[in-house]
Amino acid sequence: QKEVEQNSGPLSVPEGAIASLNCTYSDRGSQSFFWYRQYSGKSPELIMFIYSNGDKEDGRFTAQLNKASQYVSLLIRDSQPSDSATYLCAVPWEINDYKLSFGAGTTVTVRA
Amino acid sequence: DVKVTQSSRYLVKRTGEKVFLECVQDMDHENMFWYRQDPGLGLRLIYFSYDVKMKEKGDIPEGYSVSREKKERFSLILESASTNQTSMYLCASSRPAYSNQPQHFGDGTRLSIL
Repeated sequence: QKEVEQNSGPLSVPEGAIASLNCTYSDRGSQSFFWYRQYSGKSPELIMFIYSNGDKEDGRFTAQLNKASQYVSLLIRDSQPSDSATYLCAVPWEINDYKLSFGAGTTVTVRA
Repeated sequence: DVKVTQSSRYLVKRTGEKVFLECVQDMDHENMFWYRQDPGLGLRLIYFSYDVKMKEKGDIPEGYSVSREKKERFSLILESASTNQTSMYLCASSRPAYSNQPQHFGDGTRLSIL
């Protein structure tokens, strides 16, 4: 399986700012990546999937994949207090595998 | 919406007991997963199942077993509970085969072993 590393945080940003989260992975062959959001006391929910190099945007969220450097980032624009959560990065064990390796997560706090 | 239901939100058991955690999904997903989540360690896969009666070990299967007799139900069994199995347990389900299929999680069971 893959090793997935994230800074644990906490990452504190003011309301309206951009929160930038990074995730590095060990296997250069990895092709697809997931970002999950987990509110305190709740279960993870998928917020972004990215497959190809470059950026993918969904509302205020942008995922950026850089395969050469083996990292994937998540940007949260116009951060809101409701974005305060732990963000988990996940990578399939193998290409086309449905088993995922999760990072330990980055905790984000948005200050009002 | 996909619904993954775990039978208990909180559970307290004693060392040495046999513990059953139940999970039911309503979306006819082939894949089901059991994870445990501990602070600083993230989600670790215990077991998963890709079909009825089929299972594979994950990262940390020691001390656990699973049962999948029906497609919608996946049970995690702690054969003889120990204090180091105190954790949050999460069940998930997904469609098979393709790596872009999201996993849908239940609300979790916080298990304490005394």
